[in-house]
Amino acid sequence: NAGVTQTPKFRILKIGQSMTLQCAQDMNHNYMYWYRQDPGMGLKLIYYSVGAGITDKGEVPNGYNVSRSTTEDFPLRLELAAPSQTSVYFCASRQGFEKLFFGSGTQLSVL
Amino acid sequence: RKEVEQDPGPFNVPEGATVAFNCTYSNSASQSFFWYRQDCRKEPKLLMSVYSSGNEDGRFTAQLNRASQYISLLIRDSKLSDSATYLCVVNGNDMRFGAGTRLTVKP
Repeated sequence: NAGVTQTPKFRILKIGQSMTLQCAQDMNHNYMYWYRQDPGMGLKLIYYSVGAGITDKGEVPNGYNVSRSTTEDFPLRLELAAPSQTSVYFCASRQGFEKLFFGSGTQLSVL
Repeated sequence: RKEVEQDPGPFNVPEGATVAFNCTYSNSASQSFFWYRQDCRKEPKLLMSVYSSGNEDGRFTAQLNRASQYISLLIRDSKLSDSATYLCVVNGNDMRFGAGTRLTVKP
């Protein structure tokens, strides 16, 4: 009964470091999404995928990369972390045009 | 123009009040619409889907106006526990969120 699993829950990075935020879903959903949420703001779409092997940019893709080699996994890569990437990151998935299922989020601080 | 726009509020209302939120969208090809609730920057949780004919779930009523490209959420008899941020979501292949409307219900 896992749903959408995000790891890690918290992370502190130094400027210029790299890291990968992991996201996995066990519901066989075709669509997966990465959002970021800055304090007091709404969710902004970073990247999304409509199926394995297919990814598309969202509203704020700069500084991030994604891959979708399997249906289950949709990792988000930060290559050169910057303070502007300090945010809460949410991964989500859905099937067809149904509701989104969210992971519990990753709090990332870049110092 | 942003794809999805919401009045950010905040809305501060007394218990028992009726409050309404609107959300406008720019993509006329959008196919599905939702209202989510978010507490204290936890993950958003689905409040209700929005159907063309309008739909109701207890104290909550959602409506869609395709001609004017907006959706609305009406909360009747507000409770303290309704205090949260309400997010509208408009769907093509991507799922775009509005900025959220902060609601505080006071005793």
